[in-house]
Amino acid sequence: AQRVTQPEKLLSVFKGAPVELKCNYSYSGSPELFWYVQYSRQRLQLLLRHISRESIKGFTADLNKGETSFHLKKPFAQEEDSAMYYCALSHGSSNTGKLIFGQGTTLQVKP
Amino acid sequence: ETGVTQTPRHLVMGMTNKKSLKCEQHLGHNAMYWYKQSAKKPLELMFVYSLEERVENNSVPSRFSPECPNSSHLFLHLHTLQPEDSALYLCASSQDLGAGYTGELFFGEGSRLTVL
Repeated sequence: AQRVTQPEKLLSVFKGAPVELKCNYSYSGSPELFWYVQYSRQRLQLLLRHISRESIKGFTADLNKGETSFHLKKPFAQEEDSAMYYCALSHGSSNTGKLIFGQGTTLQVKP
Repeated sequence: ETGVTQTPRHLVMGMTNKKSLKCEQHLGHNAMYWYKQSAKKPLELMFVYSLEERVENNSVPSRFSPECPNSSHLFLHLHTLQPEDSALYLCASSQDLGAGYTGELFFGEGSRLTVL
């Protein structure tokens, strides 16, 4: 079965500290992985996708097929990074648009 | 108005009521989605429409009835719901499905439903 697991409900760090939000997935095919973010009082929005290999707002994520992981990292956290982060998976070139989300991790960056 | 707009933002209904949630997107997208967000559970995909045709029904009870009259509008008709259906219902859209699918969904702010 397709599943996305985010083991931490809450991650609390101090400003300037490194951040790693964990995401593991189970999928038998060739998945595409994404990170979505929801800032306070804003709607859920795409942060980055693995296929783009991009860095957005200092965040990067590498797909590790051996470990079936797609952890989100940032070397120096900022207070404005505080938000809810969701890892999501879809089948490549999805014909049904089925995007499976993890339960989300709240990132709290303290001053 | 731009983006994805959902109305009403809040809805309280009894178990015997009939109500509808409305979603409208102004992005020129061809695919629209309903997701359910319950406390302590991941976002659950309910329905997917592509060019007004339903392409995914994720084992949703028949008391939830979607309708997509055109590619800009999506409704979720609610009938004889249960208290456990109380949740945030999110609408989303994407440019396309299939070869044009990028995985980028544009979400509305959600309709908070409470069933008494």
